[in-house]
Amino acid sequence: KAGVTQTPRYLIKTRGQQVTLSCSPISGHRSVSWYQQTPGQGLQFLFEYFSETQRNKGNFPGRFSGRQFSNSRSEMNVSTLELGDSALYLCASSSYREDEQFFGPGTRLTVL
Amino acid sequence: DQQVKQNSPSLSVQEGRISILNCDYTNSMFDYFLWYKKYPAEGPTFLISISSIKDKNEDGRFTVFLNKSAKHLSLHIVPSQPGDSAVYFCAARYGGGADGLTFGKGTHLIIQP
Repeated sequence: KAGVTQTPRYLIKTRGQQVTLSCSPISGHRSVSWYQQTPGQGLQFLFEYFSETQRNKGNFPGRFSGRQFSNSRSEMNVSTLELGDSALYLCASSSYREDEQFFGPGTRLTVL
Repeated sequence: DQQVKQNSPSLSVQEGRISILNCDYTNSMFDYFLWYKKYPAEGPTFLISISSIKDKNEDGRFTVFLNKSAKHLSLHIVPSQPGDSAVYFCAARYGGGADGLTFGKGTHLIIQP
């Protein structure tokens, strides 16, 4: 079974731009969660989608948004990028919300 | 306020010995705990978990112990192998994970030959 895939793996943007990251969950998994990892804050929960609905959102500004498609693939969008948005963005999928989450390799975003 | 704390940023252990990684939490609502292992340039990989109704869970070389009264859990790796060198994250959740996982900042385990 293929694992969670994330594209692109690396991305460089400048302040003020916007970015869209993509995540394809493990086949059959309907829940997708997004996390931000930074050296100072560690891994922080961004939001979770289940069956195309955002179920919950972490403590991040409205510049961070996402969506999930009918095939469970998910995208995350960050608008008006700030230097502090430089981080590793991780996507995780599970078959139900209660199951263990399987992580993708992440997208390394650098904001200059 | 950090709800899940891993107070040791790094730990060095000799190959063949026991590695003990510790994790403390403050939120008594947490009812499920997980350990993840992460290599550079890869996403975290699930290792082992424990429900709050148990105090021990074992899977091969990995054992997780939960002390609810002390709000403390630990991961034991016996015997430690070179491939165990990685960053280990402790994570917790409640209510079926509605608010996602809350992670500690990780402990970098280094297994020395």
